[in-house]
Amino acid sequence: GESVGLHLPTLSVQEGDNSIINCAYSNSASDYFIWYKQESGKGPQFIIDIRSNMDKRQGQRVTVLLNKTVKHLSLQIAATQPGDSAVYFCAEISGANNLFFGTGTRLTVIP
Amino acid sequence: DAGVTQSPTHLIKTRGQQVTLRCSPKSGHDTVSWYQQALGQGPQFIFQYYEEEERQRGNFPDRFSGHQFPNYSSELNVNALLLGDSALYLCASSDGTANGDTQYFGPGTRLTVL
Repeated sequence: GESVGLHLPTLSVQEGDNSIINCAYSNSASDYFIWYKQESGKGPQFIIDIRSNMDKRQGQRVTVLLNKTVKHLSLQIAATQPGDSAVYFCAEISGANNLFFGTGTRLTVIP
Repeated sequence: DAGVTQSPTHLIKTRGQQVTLRCSPKSGHDTVSWYQQALGQGPQFIFQYYEEEERQRGNFPDRFSGHQFPNYSSELNVNALLLGDSALYLCASSDGTANGDTQYFGPGTRLTVL
């Protein structure tokens, strides 16, 4: 079956440093991946997505890297800010548009 | 442009009762998906509605049912509530096209079963 997991449950970084959040997936047939940010008491917020025909995609301060060989996904956040503190989920699209989420990584930014 | 909205925000029920949660999708979206998020876990897919029909379903019992209305809004119903049904229930909408896989989430309804 499909599973999406994260290597680290928590991550603490200094304000201004870069953050890297990793994610492993098991379904090699998945062709679309999304990173979501979830702040306390709120629903997941879309950050960035990537399709399996790409290795890298950049947004504002964020970059997603996809390594299909080892089925690994990462989210890089540049110049991490206190407002980036949240739980980050990677999710994969399987079949007709339903998302499979991992457990999540809690990012804490230290001022 | 309103995003995804859900009601109520919080709800407290007792075991055995029934509950109905509501969702209005983002403007222009016709597909609604429901997820259950237990504390400290990632969201788990319950089911998805498109054109007023259940298009896909996750691994949830029949106690969980839903409906989609002609205006694309949706309801999630849970019968015979169990303590384990306590969770944040999230609704997400998308536009249902091949390029519309991105799902946008509402703030969720926090259900507590006592």
